Amino acid sequence: DTEVTQTPKHLVMGMTNKKSLKCEQHMGHRAMYWYKQKAKKPPELMFVYSYEKLSINESVPSRFSPECPNSSLLNLHLHALQPEDSALYLCASSQIRDRGEKLFFGSGTQLSVL
Amino acid sequence: SQQGEEDPQALSIQEGENATMNCSYKTSINNLQWYRQNSGRGLVHLILIRSNEREKHSGRLRVTLDTSKKSSSLLITASRAADTASYFCATFSGGYQKVTFGTGTKLQVIP
Repeated sequence: DTEVTQTPKHLVMGMTNKKSLKCEQHMGHRAMYWYKQKAKKPPELMFVYSYEKLSINESVPSRFSPECPNSSLLNLHLHALQPEDSALYLCASSQIRDRGEKLFFGSGTQLSVL
Repeated sequence: SQQGEEDPQALSIQEGENATMNCSYKTSINNLQWYRQNSGRGLVHLILIRSNEREKHSGRLRVTLDTSKKSSSLLITASRAADTASYFCATFSGGYQKVTFGTGTKLQVIP
């Protein structure tokens, strides 16, 4: 199984809503990532978890709250978002090596904030 | 923050022609990777080249890396309409598994 599964594929939420994005992989990867991608722009790194611990937070606003309940699951909790947070949210996973390994991406969640 | 700048931003070629895209980056790296993204979808890994390698091939793909110039190029030979996509370079700078993407090249292959 070489898939990263993201749910939901599409999400529309109001600025007062609370929602969660979910990501799952069963490749035994111990690094998991959240990226945000605006239209016609490259993916921007948000968070990295290594061995279920948050290792990188790229100064992301607190209205985005990541969680890694176990080595296969990654969540992104959303609260009080702004319309400018509308974007494609991508999850990825990889093995952990000192010299780096390739990332496997999910197909993303297209988020619209009204 | 972005590590890499890619050029050209957009490239349009005829089917059968070769496509070359370039990536420049700013800091030292452990490896450089290339990814493809079809419109609005997840990214697919194409090839990884480590900092001690200068050239790598995979099928119709050829990647070069010049660490002294902090640059890389991706060559797609004998392009096909199915190669139409955005292509991104990504750098791994070691420690904490940080992978940062370049600005991307949008490739259109005309049948």
